Amino acid sequence: RKEVEQDPGPFNVPEGATVAFNCTYSNSASQSFFWYRQDCRKEPKLLMSVYSSGNEDGRFTAQLNRASQYISLLIRDSKLSDSATYLCVVNPHGSGNTGKLIFGQGTTLQVKP
Amino acid sequence: DAGVTQSPTHLIKTRGQQVTLRCSPKSGHDTVSWYQQALGQGPQFIFQYYEEEERQRGNFPDRFSGHQFPNYSSELNVNALLLGDSALYLCASNRGTQETQYFGPGTRLLVL
Repeated sequence: RKEVEQDPGPFNVPEGATVAFNCTYSNSASQSFFWYRQDCRKEPKLLMSVYSSGNEDGRFTAQLNRASQYISLLIRDSKLSDSATYLCVVNPHGSGNTGKLIFGQGTTLQVKP
Repeated sequence: DAGVTQSPTHLIKTRGQQVTLRCSPKSGHDTVSWYQQALGQGPQFIFQYYEEEERQRGNFPDRFSGHQFPNYSSELNVNALLLGDSALYLCASNRGTQETQYFGPGTRLLVL
């Protein structure tokens, strides 16, 4: 079983749609979670950190369910510029103890006019 | 404020050759991590350097080695290149125990 699993998609949605991505992780001791965005042939960039209470940033909402070891990302009112690959990322070492990041395969989103 | 920089941007090598990739961390950062990203996959952790020492290592063979210099810049060396080493190599930096890792633009390596 992969340490971080995502549905690779692609998700093809019209502008203005709401889309949700899901991710599961295998290490129950993991403490820190992130969503990174990666544009084609570019480097990953941090989109959001996800903590126990979850968080919201504009049109983006991230949720964490520790009991199910499940992380989600919701994008409301999709824009053409949201088209990218979204990477679910887990740091198994916990807050304040940096180490390797474990990435999912990524979920590709294509927003159509 | 310069971000993470990497060189070269692209590289073509043949099987059996050796390659060295370079990374300069973001200003103020002292920790450098290296990742390999194959086409269609998420990045995979190779190793992390802090205070000029390898602090943690992923599941990569000994052909992959690295170094960190006193100015916190880092090198990734790959010996005896295989076709399967063709990938985007990403460098990420962070400061101390701060978790957020910032990525450089990567080096695209093609092994023929």
